[in-house]
Amino acid sequence: GAVVSQHPSRVICKSGTSVKIECRSLDFQATTMFWYRQFPKQSLMLMATSNEGSKATYEQGVEKDKFLINHASLTLSTLTVTSAHPEDSSFYICSAGSLATDTQYFGPGTRLTVL
Amino acid sequence: DAKTTQPPSMDCAEGRAANLPCNHSTISGNEYVYWYRQIHSQGPQYIIHGLKNNETNEMASLIITEDRKSSTLILPHATLRDTAVYYCIVRVGAGSARQLTFGSGTQLTVLP
Repeated sequence: GAVVSQHPSRVICKSGTSVKIECRSLDFQATTMFWYRQFPKQSLMLMATSNEGSKATYEQGVEKDKFLINHASLTLSTLTVTSAHPEDSSFYICSAGSLATDTQYFGPGTRLTVL
Repeated sequence: DAKTTQPPSMDCAEGRAANLPCNHSTISGNEYVYWYRQIHSQGPQYIIHGLKNNETNEMASLIITEDRKSSTLILPHATLRDTAVYYCIVRVGAGSARQLTFGSGTQLTVLP
């Protein structure tokens, strides 16, 4: 149980395009999902907290108009990187909170490369 | 949330117990200790968490000192697949709804 999936696992895009990443909790409902970013040889950095049916809360320094988050259901949150640039290349990871176990579970991550 | 201190790296022989320490001397009474690990290029994996009692599950044991200022994660019989970065995170309860703040963790390398 407590499986979180992400799609796609890897994406390469041209500079200026937008990329959507999906995060799904497969066997539990998650009222809260989190989006992290991880650069090479660094730790995970929280970007935003997503609550179902409400606007996401962004961490300081994260542009909400560039990283659009939608949490439309209890099992799905999406992160859209708008007008991506090479500096947005990173490993994006989501996590979902399970009320049943009071624990967060992480997706496998999405490797974004912007050319 | 309280800050944690972990050694940057550790080695362990395959089949032996891996004991990963974590210092959290400023922990508050309502803060839990969580352990996650991240295998290269994958998302973090939940291992175990506890408040003040020792905990054990199918993956590991968590030993928290009586004053709660430090803890040890024990992998009883390490395998090569346990090679990963291990993160000790201290956070006020309600684990599902509050963010996790990741430090730099401990790179555990299990040697054949």
